[in-house]
Amino acid sequence: AQTVTQSQPEMSVQEAETVTLSCTYDTSESNYYLFWYKQPPSRQMILVIRQEAYKQQNATENRFSVNFQKAAKSFSLKISDSQLGDTAMYFCAFEAGANNLFFGTGTRLTVIP
Amino acid sequence: EPEVTQTPSHQVTQMGQEVILRCVPISNHLYFYWYRQILGQKVEFLVSFYNNEISEKSEIFDDQFSVERPDGSNFTLKIRSTKLEDSAMYFCASRRLRGNPDTQYFGPGTRLTVL
Repeated sequence: AQTVTQSQPEMSVQEAETVTLSCTYDTSESNYYLFWYKQPPSRQMILVIRQEAYKQQNATENRFSVNFQKAAKSFSLKISDSQLGDTAMYFCAFEAGANNLFFGTGTRLTVIP
Repeated sequence: EPEVTQTPSHQVTQMGQEVILRCVPISNHLYFYWYRQILGQKVEFLVSFYNNEISEKSEIFDDQFSVERPDGSNFTLKIRSTKLEDSAMYFCASRRLRGNPDTQYFGPGTRLTVL
């Protein structure tokens, strides 16, 4: 069974600073994908970044980057130069075999002006 | 940029009533999904749908739930007899391909309130 764990229910960061959100997962699959989704107060789910497990290089998307440690089954999200619009719930998600997504419980991030 | 749309944005219903939640996936997508999120909890998978049939479903997706693609564009989730615990945000998602590093794109959600 796949599980996704986010151990930080809430975090805060000063505007323009850097913050890292943690995620660990457990799976017996060898080929899978990992995602970070953002859910602002509107509650829409927005894809932030995606990582393929077979790729060693960490994914980056502008101010967002991941630290993917396959052996440790760890997938953290780093947000650089935090902006007020980054305030949201962030969900880590796992997908194996191009099937459904398994989500973690989320981290509520607040960016403080 | 094409996007997944869902209607209505908010649905209020009485316990025991039937509701139909509607989704229009991205036009060239072939795989469709429903997820739900009870307030304050994580997003949970309900069902996936491909080639006009259910591919996979979770334990949550019991006989009270059904899905349908009635035409070439809509994808619906029906709850036959709603319960209080069905109150949640329901997300539709679609993807173009399976077996590729492809992404599920989510709609904005329908907030279902059962009174």
